[in-house]
Amino acid sequence: EVQLVESGGGLIQPGGSLRLSCAASGFTVSNNYMSWVRQAPGKGLEWVSIIYSGGTTHDADSVKGRFTISRDNSKNTVYLQMNSLRAEDTAVYYCARANTMIIRNGMDVWGQGTTVTVSS
Amino acid sequence: DIQLTQSPSFLSASVGDRVTITCRASQGISSYLAWYQKKLGKAPKLLIYAASTLQSGVPSRFSGSGSGTEFTLTISSLQPEDFATYYCQQLNSYPITFGQGTRLEIK
Repeated sequence: EVQLVESGGGLIQPGGSLRLSCAASGFTVSNNYMSWVRQAPGKGLEWVSIIYSGGTTHDADSVKGRFTISRDNSKNTVYLQMNSLRAEDTAVYYCARANTMIIRNGMDVWGQGTTVTVSS
Repeated sequence: DIQLTQSPSFLSASVGDRVTITCRASQGISSYLAWYQKKLGKAPKLLIYAASTLQSGVPSRFSGSGSGTEFTLTISSLQPEDFATYYCQQLNSYPITFGQGTRLEIK
């Protein structure tokens, strides 16, 4: 079964760091475009970062220089390293796979989400 | 950045109704637009990609159209399970952006 399972969320103080994990099963992350998308409480969806099959990454301006997307092919897992966290980073974080291995075809497989709360 | 504006932001409708949601892009995005359904506490679900291609497993009452800057999502006959929030997403250029969402509620 094709599946994504996120973990690593929690309560963190402003300025702190957290690493989210997204473990994939049923497919190989290194052959796909993998993204992180978040949804703040009461807000809409916001794309955060993407990693290409070749390793190229892109980030939203709101997280550039603070968040880093990466993957471990041996664990078939994608990560989001979040540093210098701010209150406005509070959200449910989802990882998602590009549909048909083409990023322009949307995102067809999503994890259940992991909640990050940045608060003192 | 490409901005996506959905209209309406809120829609009240009845089971069996036909509804249309519009998504306008601030600049041309060819057909690189996807539509998602989002329910509370659940992950987004891909409905339509490439503006008009129905994702596998999605009921045929959902359809999408448009290109360039104006796009529509139509639900031909609303079912109880369709009441949710709908988002458009552009994948033409970075940053990838979403519309603000359209909340569809039961009248």
